[in-house]
Amino acid sequence: EVQLVESGGGLVQPGRSLKLSCAASGFTFSNHYMAWVRQAPKKGLDWVATISTSGSRTYYPDSVKGRFTISRDNAKSSLYLQMNSLKSEDTATYYCARLAYSSQGVMDAWGQGASVTVSS
Amino acid sequence: DTQMTQSPSLLSASVGDRVTLNCKASQNIYKNLAWYQQKLGEAPKLLIYNVNSLQSDIPSKFSGRESGTDFTLTINSLQPEDVATYFCQQYYRGNTFGAGTKLELK
Repeated sequence: EVQLVESGGGLVQPGRSLKLSCAASGFTFSNHYMAWVRQAPKKGLDWVATISTSGSRTYYPDSVKGRFTISRDNAKSSLYLQMNSLKSEDTATYYCARLAYSSQGVMDAWGQGASVTVSS
Repeated sequence: DTQMTQSPSLLSASVGDRVTLNCKASQNIYKNLAWYQQKLGEAPKLLIYNVNSLQSDIPSKFSGRESGTDFTLTINSLQPEDVATYFCQQYYRGNTFGAGTKLELK
């Protein structure tokens, strides 16, 4: 069974940093692109970052480029999101998502999410 | 950036109805369109990708179509377990999600 389990969420002050982790199991992690998607309270889905199978290529929307960094450790089947210079508008549930095999966009498995609140 | 516009934002229907949800892309996305279902308090779940390909274990009551930059998700024989918010996503350039259609029972 495919499982994605996020951790590392919490309350953080504006301007500070936080690092999320996602532990993957039940599939060959190194064969899949991975992504982070967030959802602000009672809002829609917002793509945050994507990383290639080897980790050599990363992709971000302008809203987080330069502040967020996605990375992975294939030996540990783990995905990470380093979030710096956090803003109140970054408050959201952050989902780890697996991209379908040979796809860079179709998200065929999702974790349950980690809640991040940016507030003083 | 490619914008995805979903309509309606809220849809009320009865058990057994056939419902159609709409999604319009601001430019050509070359069939790079997926639909997700999100039930209250849960993570999103992939239903359909590449406009009309059904994800494994998803019942055939769900179907997708396209007409240029207009896309539809149809749900046949609506059941209480279909109550959810449905999101479309383009993955042609980056990833953009629509704002969602909340489907409720009358």
